[in-house]
Amino acid sequence: DVKVTQSSRYLVKRTGEKVFLECVQDMDHENMFWYRQDPGLGLRLIYFSYDVKMKEKGDIPEGYSVSREKKERFSLILESASTNQTSMYLCASMGQGTTYEQYFGPGTRLTVT
Amino acid sequence: GQSLEQPSEVTAVEGAIVQINCTYQTSGFYGLSWYQQHDGGAPTFLSYNALDGLEETGRFSSFLSRSDSYGYLLLQELQMKDSASYFCAVRDNYGQNFVFGPGTRLSVLP
Repeated sequence: DVKVTQSSRYLVKRTGEKVFLECVQDMDHENMFWYRQDPGLGLRLIYFSYDVKMKEKGDIPEGYSVSREKKERFSLILESASTNQTSMYLCASMGQGTTYEQYFGPGTRLTVT
Repeated sequence: GQSLEQPSEVTAVEGAIVQINCTYQTSGFYGLSWYQQHDGGAPTFLSYNALDGLEETGRFSSFLSRSDSYGYLLLQELQMKDSASYFCAVRDNYGQNFVFGPGTRLSVLP
C-alpha cells in the first residue's frame, strides 16, 4: 500500500514567515508533486519533481520553491508567507508506468494571518 | 491557456446512473484521469484514458473522445458513499504536468 505522508495536518503562520511543508512517500516513486486546492479552482500544480534534485515549475510557482534532496522526500517552501497563500496543500507521488496514477497525501491546511 | 470544464454540481438518487462530463483545452494531450475526493479526504485515483473509447472498472466507467476534447465518468448503481467531488485531469505535453478541472460535487440522495 502506497503511503504519502505530510508533516502537518493544520498549520497557522504569520505573514512574512518562512514556511516548510514536507512530504514523504514510501514507494520509491520517481515523481512527486505539490498542489494547492482552493474552492472552485480544483487542484493547481505548484511544482513537480521527476528525480532527486530535479524540479519543474507547474502552473503557479510564484512565491514558492521546492527541494528534493532524497528520493522519498519533497519539500515545499514559502519564502515569505502571504495571506493569499492560505490554502490546502496536497502532495502526491507517482511511479513510472502507464496508468499515471497519483497517490495523494492527506493535505496540510495552511492559514496565514 | 489551459482549461478544463466540468459541471459544478450533480444530484442523483441511490441506484441511478450519473454521467459527469469534462471538456478540455490544453496545449498538449497525453491522457485524461479521474479522481474522487470525499470531504476532508485526499483525492484517490479512479481511471486513466489515453486512447479513445470506454474503460470499465466495476461500477465506474470512463470515456474519452480525443477528437472532441471530451471525456466523461459514468457511475452506475449509485450508492450513498459515492457522494464526493470528482475531478478530471489532463496530462499535457510537458511530461508529468497535470492540469485538473474545478471538480464536480456529486450528491447521492436516498
